[in-house]
Amino acid sequence: GAGVSQSPSNKVTEKGKDVELRCDPISGHTALYWYRQSLGQGLEFLIYFQGNSAPDKSGLPSDRFSAERTGGSVSTLTIQRTQQEDSAVYLCASSRGLVSYEQYFGPGTRLTVT
Amino acid sequence: QKEVEQDPGPLSVPEGAIVSLNCTYSNSAFQYFMWYRQYSRKGPELLMYTYSSGNKEDGRFTAQVDKSSKYISLFIRDSQPSDSATYLCAISRGSNYKLTFGKGTLLTVNP
Repeated sequence: GAGVSQSPSNKVTEKGKDVELRCDPISGHTALYWYRQSLGQGLEFLIYFQGNSAPDKSGLPSDRFSAERTGGSVSTLTIQRTQQEDSAVYLCASSRGLVSYEQYFGPGTRLTVT
Repeated sequence: QKEVEQDPGPLSVPEGAIVSLNCTYSNSAFQYFMWYRQYSRKGPELLMYTYSSGNKEDGRFTAQVDKSSKYISLFIRDSQPSDSATYLCAISRGSNYKLTFGKGTLLTVNP
């Protein structure tokens, strides 16, 4: 079956612009996660959805970051007024809800802020 | 102190070598221990997970957890060039908790 898909695969934007990153999880997976991966920093947890609600937003680095999930499926991560330090690979993962250790990752969106 | 520490390497070994990858963690509340593999420009994929102390084997891969030392290991036997990737350890407090990842160790297996 289809895996987790993310779009765009690459995004170059100017400092100060807003960007939207999209994630399509595996069908039937109720949990969805966003991570950020920077060089030398590993995978940084951003936010987690169970269905359409986000019980854990603790990882969002600032109020410029927001995410939503509609219909228990597609999720968008929005970064407003992008800064150069936002440049990273943004990874989305999904899991069958309670089995959160078995997360399936998408290929990521490589964001470059110039 | 970070919740999980992992030596980033890089680690370079000849084909056929036994590889040992390690992480330490700080909080005894963590109960689930995972190893993910990430090829260049791809998302991580789950290799193995363990719930308790002891060993778990899957083909050429063995995951080992020592809760008393808060130390987790991944051993790769008869390493192959196709094993060249970044290996990330991950820990969790429970089956419905978020994962905390190590920074990853870059492994290169030379033919």
